[in-house]
Amino acid sequence: DAGVIQSPRHEVTEMGQEVTLRCKPISGHNSLFWYRQTMMRGLELLIYFNNNVPIDDSGMPEDRFSAKMPNASFSTLKIQPSEPRDSAVYFCASSLRLAGEGEQFFGPGTRLTVL
Amino acid sequence: AQSVTQLDSQVPVFEEAPVELRCNYSSSVSVYLFWYVQYPNQGLQLLLKYLSGSTLVKGINGFEAEFNKSQTSFHLRKPSVHISDTAEYFCAVSDGGTSYGKLTFGQGTILTVHP
Repeated sequence: DAGVIQSPRHEVTEMGQEVTLRCKPISGHNSLFWYRQTMMRGLELLIYFNNNVPIDDSGMPEDRFSAKMPNASFSTLKIQPSEPRDSAVYFCASSLRLAGEGEQFFGPGTRLTVL
Repeated sequence: AQSVTQLDSQVPVFEEAPVELRCNYSSSVSVYLFWYVQYPNQGLQLLLKYLSGSTLVKGINGFEAEFNKSQTSFHLRKPSVHISDTAEYFCAVSDGGTSYGKLTFGQGTILTVHP
């Protein structure tokens, strides 16, 4: 398996623009997680899905952030409009839920820079 | 609610010396514990995990960790480090219930191995 795939790997945009990050989880995994990593705040869980259904989005910082999982093999994280403070590395991870004992497999991340 | 505290934000060490990275957690229920490693410009990957059984857990790259329930700790150790172990290390906890594999991460410890 190719592992978790994220695109793009790098994104540079200007404040106010819409940004869409994409994730393809490992085939057969049924949980998907979006994280944000910054120097100041460390690794933050934004939202996670189980069987394509959002379970907890309490980590989403503002209404400007939204996430979807239309099917088991694809998820998006959208920021609209983007702001400089959204600059961070965004990770997607997937796991096969086994009552919490499942390992999370991380993608390589998308480095977002908002100018 | 769960929380994870990594007691050292940075640990410098010389090559071939032993190292211990400390992790304490708090939880009101039984937990599963994990250590992840993040090399520069990469996603996180699993080093080892404790689910049940023996409290001494061995992982990849010669790392091991010991689960201590009375002290609520899960410290990571390696008897002799290499330059290639330079990375950031994250301790994480899952409550093993209906969390769908959600992990709570510590703030990370940057291990720097000097020649």
